[in-house]
Amino acid sequence: NAGVMQNPRHLVRRRGQEARLRCSPMKGHSHVYWYRQLPEEGLKFMVYLQKENIIDESGMPKERFSAEFPKEGPSILRIQQVVRGDSAAYFCASSPRPEAGELFFGEGSRLTVL
Amino acid sequence: QKEVEQDPGPLSVPEGAIVSLNCTYSNSAFQYFMWYRQYSRKGPELLMYTYSSGNKEDGRFTAQVDKSSKYISLFIRDSQPSDSATYLCAMTSYGNNRLAFGKGNQVVVIP
Repeated sequence: NAGVMQNPRHLVRRRGQEARLRCSPMKGHSHVYWYRQLPEEGLKFMVYLQKENIIDESGMPKERFSAEFPKEGPSILRIQQVVRGDSAAYFCASSPRPEAGELFFGEGSRLTVL
Repeated sequence: QKEVEQDPGPLSVPEGAIVSLNCTYSNSAFQYFMWYRQYSRKGPELLMYTYSSGNKEDGRFTAQVDKSSKYISLFIRDSQPSDSATYLCAMTSYGNNRLAFGKGNQVVVIP
């Protein structure tokens, strides 16, 4: 039973480029969460999605960041015009019981902005 | 006041010792409490999940929740070098869309 799958595991971008991170939830899970982890910081909530719906994006920066979870295919976290401060580990999670906060995380995508 | 406080100071213990980790929180609505283990350059792995106050044991791991004191703990008995990792506490309330995480506690078990 595959866990949460994220790719790419590592991504290097130059300032001003776009970064796209992909996430496939665990089989049978239809809720996806994105969290960001900065060096020496805990995980910070970004966005919560169901298929074709953004449920809560209150943790997303207002500009340059967007997320989607289409009917077919993985969830995508998109960062436009990346800056050095976007360098972080981005983790995706899915849940069998979203109302009770039981989240299972993927291995993460590590973005480095040069 | 931060929502979740976890002293991030690295903790080094000899193999076989008991590891004691804890978090405090300010939001009395939290009722679901989790401990995650994160190895270097890996994703957080759900270790313990508890609801409301009380104790939960799973092998060498024991999680305790004291809602009256807004305090949770994780104990690791007979620690092993493979337990060397960062341990993150997390918590949420029913229907909340996000987990509130502590900063994590780095544990090193010395053989």
